[in-house]
Amino acid sequence: DAGVIQSPRHEVTEMGQEVTLRCKPISGHNSLFWYRQTMMRGLELLIYFNNNVPIDDSGMPEDRFSAKMPNASFSTLKIQPSEPRDSAVYFCASSLDPLAGEQFFGPGTRLTVL
Amino acid sequence: QKEVEQNSGPLSVPEGAIASLNCTYSDRGSQSFFWYRQYSGKSPELIMFIYSNGDKEDGRFTAQLNKASQYVSLLIRDSQPSDSATYLCAVGGDKVIFGPGTSLSVIP
Repeated sequence: DAGVIQSPRHEVTEMGQEVTLRCKPISGHNSLFWYRQTMMRGLELLIYFNNNVPIDDSGMPEDRFSAKMPNASFSTLKIQPSEPRDSAVYFCASSLDPLAGEQFFGPGTRLTVL
Repeated sequence: QKEVEQNSGPLSVPEGAIASLNCTYSDRGSQSFFWYRQYSGKSPELIMFIYSNGDKEDGRFTAQLNKASQYVSLLIRDSQPSDSATYLCAVGGDKVIFGPGTSLSVIP
């Protein structure tokens, strides 16, 4: 298995632009997680899905952030409009069980908003 | 608010020594406990998990869990420079919460 796949690996954009991050989980995994990591705040859970349904989005910072999972093999995290404070590494992870910590992380997307 | 706490470090140990990483959590209902290792510029990877009180050993790694004290630790024996990384404690209850991580540096 190729593991969790994320694209793009790096994204540089200007404030106000829309950003879309993509994730393909490991085949057969029922749960998908989106995290944001910064030096100041560490690894923060933004949202997670179980069987393509959003279960907990309490970590989504504000309405500028939205996430979708249209099918079991694809998810997107969108930021519109983007702001410099959104600059971070965004990780997608998948697991067989949403309550288990045995999550497998993708390589991350490093987002820079100028 | 449910919290997971770790000493941020950096923790420095000489090569060959035992590194001890500690984690405390606030939710008494937590059922699963995990240690992830994250090298600089890379994604976290799971190295140990433990569900029951006591010790669990895997090679040079030992995870220790004390639910009464709400404490979980990771011991790394015969530390190697390749163990230098940030170690994240994660606790599972109604959802998984990650600690801030402890930076470990193993000095040759």
